[in-house]
Amino acid sequence: GAGVSQSPSNKVTEKGKDVELRCDPISGHTALYWYRQSLGQGLEFLIYFQGNSAPDKSGLPSDRFSAERTGGSVSTLTIQRTQQEDSAVYLCASSAVGLANEQFFGPGTRLTVL
Amino acid sequence: KQEVTQIPAALSVPEGENLVLNCSFTDSAIYNLQWFRQDPGKGLTSLLLIQSSQREQTSGRLNASLDKSSGRSTLYIAASQPGDSATYLCAVRGMIKAAGNKLTFGGGTRVLVKP
Repeated sequence: GAGVSQSPSNKVTEKGKDVELRCDPISGHTALYWYRQSLGQGLEFLIYFQGNSAPDKSGLPSDRFSAERTGGSVSTLTIQRTQQEDSAVYLCASSAVGLANEQFFGPGTRLTVL
Repeated sequence: KQEVTQIPAALSVPEGENLVLNCSFTDSAIYNLQWFRQDPGKGLTSLLLIQSSQREQTSGRLNASLDKSSGRSTLYIAASQPGDSATYLCAVRGMIKAAGNKLTFGGGTRVLVKP
């Protein structure tokens, strides 16, 4: 596929459970971003990976959130002990070096915490 | 801290009218500005990207202008069609290193084009 893919597309979980969300960036893109879109907060930056550099975690809302990127490609966002306020659409984006750093987004994962 | 505002939050026009969508940002030290389209339940589709050194970008019926000094961008959609109905988001990337590569988004303008 040519675009950014995310899985699952929908996830329903119970409060207190851990969840993992996956992102496959566009092949060759060195930068990967996670954003969260919720009704009350709009679209917010969570974390940014660029090559082998230390990630920019400045947008993570709490220590229950973490993300890793293995082999410079696929990324997993993990939310531990989910809370109802974590319900949102989690969007992943990637960009190449150059190309004006245009970010291309995946379809998102809709997370519902009951 | 960069803040991005889009007004109005919603807009309804008859088919054929031109659309004018506004975006304003508080910190003019931006690297670039991107306009996106989002359909219900879908991800974001990039429409146009304007570098800070540019004044406008055009793609088909879409034209985006940028006035960095006043902190404004406008997206024009000519001869609107029902298929243009969607939410339009603008986002800016900061210039300074501390801002990283993250985008700061506006709240979006929900557009309805009536046949």
